[in-house]
Amino acid sequence: DTEVTQTPKHLVMGMTNKKSLKCEQHMGHRAMYWYKQKAKKPPELMFVYSYEKLSINESVPSRFSPECPNSSLLNLHLHALQPEDSALYLCASSQGRGVKQPQHFGDGTRLSIL
Amino acid sequence: SQQGEEDPQALSIQEGENATMNCSYKTSINNLQWYRQNSGRGLVHLILIRSNEREKHSGRLRVTLDTSKKSSSLLITASRAADTASYFCATDEAAGNKLTFGGGTRVLVKP
Repeated sequence: DTEVTQTPKHLVMGMTNKKSLKCEQHMGHRAMYWYKQKAKKPPELMFVYSYEKLSINESVPSRFSPECPNSSLLNLHLHALQPEDSALYLCASSQGRGVKQPQHFGDGTRLSIL
Repeated sequence: SQQGEEDPQALSIQEGENATMNCSYKTSINNLQWYRQNSGRGLVHLILIRSNEREKHSGRLRVTLDTSKKSSSLLITASRAADTASYFCATDEAAGNKLTFGGGTRVLVKP
């Protein structure tokens, strides 16, 4: 079992739907991340939150909207996605500020856009 | 863009054999990390080696780092079927503020 919990595990949505991905960790980590991973490719960083503040946005389209309600939770709100957005979305967390620490990953949400 | 490039892209070995994979990167780094990803799962952190370290061990894993060549290697000794996974290196650029993952090596350990 991973210490970072992501829900749902699978999500199928139409291009006009609005949905949210959720991520939770109780390790006291203060940095949290969203990654996108296509099949047989490495994870690509989307967003970084440090102490509940957005610190990095890797030029992600506005149809992806992150939210960090508190230090344990990270959401990714989805709206008007495109078929090319189908991928595995991974959440991760790490201790302290910045990215010089090992990251702990959830098992991801596999997203399919119809 | 990818900072690290991994070689080989895929590796198939028999159980009990050693597996070696390499990672090259382009810019100065603070540290280099290796992760494992089993099929359908998230990444699991294996080992972190700092730029002032040359070699590090963890169980059956041995990691080396050569900053002059901007390269690292991961050796898995006495492989097991459970080692079947994709392995990624990730670098923390000295001038940057994020981890960048290499392309990964897919390892198949045949029983």
